[in-house]
Amino acid sequence: GAGVSQSPSNKVTEKGKDVELRCDPISGHTALYWYRQSLGQGLEFLIYFQGNSAPDKSGLPSDRFSAERTGGSVSTLTIQRTQQEDSAVYLCASSLDTGYNSPLHFGNGTRLTVT
Amino acid sequence: GQQLNQSPQSMFIQEGEDVSMNCTSSSIFNTWLWYKQDPGEGPVLLIALYKAGELTSNGRLTAQFGITRKDSFLNISASIPSDVGIYFCASIIQGAQKLVFGQGTRLTINP
Repeated sequence: GAGVSQSPSNKVTEKGKDVELRCDPISGHTALYWYRQSLGQGLEFLIYFQGNSAPDKSGLPSDRFSAERTGGSVSTLTIQRTQQEDSAVYLCASSLDTGYNSPLHFGNGTRLTVT
Repeated sequence: GQQLNQSPQSMFIQEGEDVSMNCTSSSIFNTWLWYKQDPGEGPVLLIALYKAGELTSNGRLTAQFGITRKDSFLNISASIPSDVGIYFCASIIQGAQKLVFGQGTRLTINP
């Protein structure tokens, strides 16, 4: 497709389980970002990738959160031992590069509900 | 810290009215961006501003980059039902390749 694709679109999991969220960026985009959006809140930065490297992981809330990117394309965000406070919409975005004039294109997000 | 304070948090207006929202910060930014988010979708870039004092229009939308580089506003003229959604201001943290977002303005339009 032409846009950023995220899967699944919705995920309900039990507290304590691990989850994996997937992001397929726009082809050719070297930069990839993960954000989290809690109900009624703005977007909270989690991590970004330039190619397969993650120069800035400063937004990951705890060591239960990790992300990787392979082949300069697909990225997965993994949350281990999920907690109820992890419930949110997880948004992925990609851009041609990390320059300030390279706009971010967002996917539609994965809505995670931890019960 | 480098936070963006966006106001108002919500707006309830009649179709056809003009809308104004703004974003302020205690920090100086070199870029101001305005995004719109429809329900169930990711934010979409509306307008990007790169110079202090810059005034840019995109159809019925007009945005300005404040002279002090610490604020920006977005105006929507003659609102229509499809303008409903959440509007976010955003900017780029100096020295870091990431966007920081305001808390959003939720726009509701009564027909």
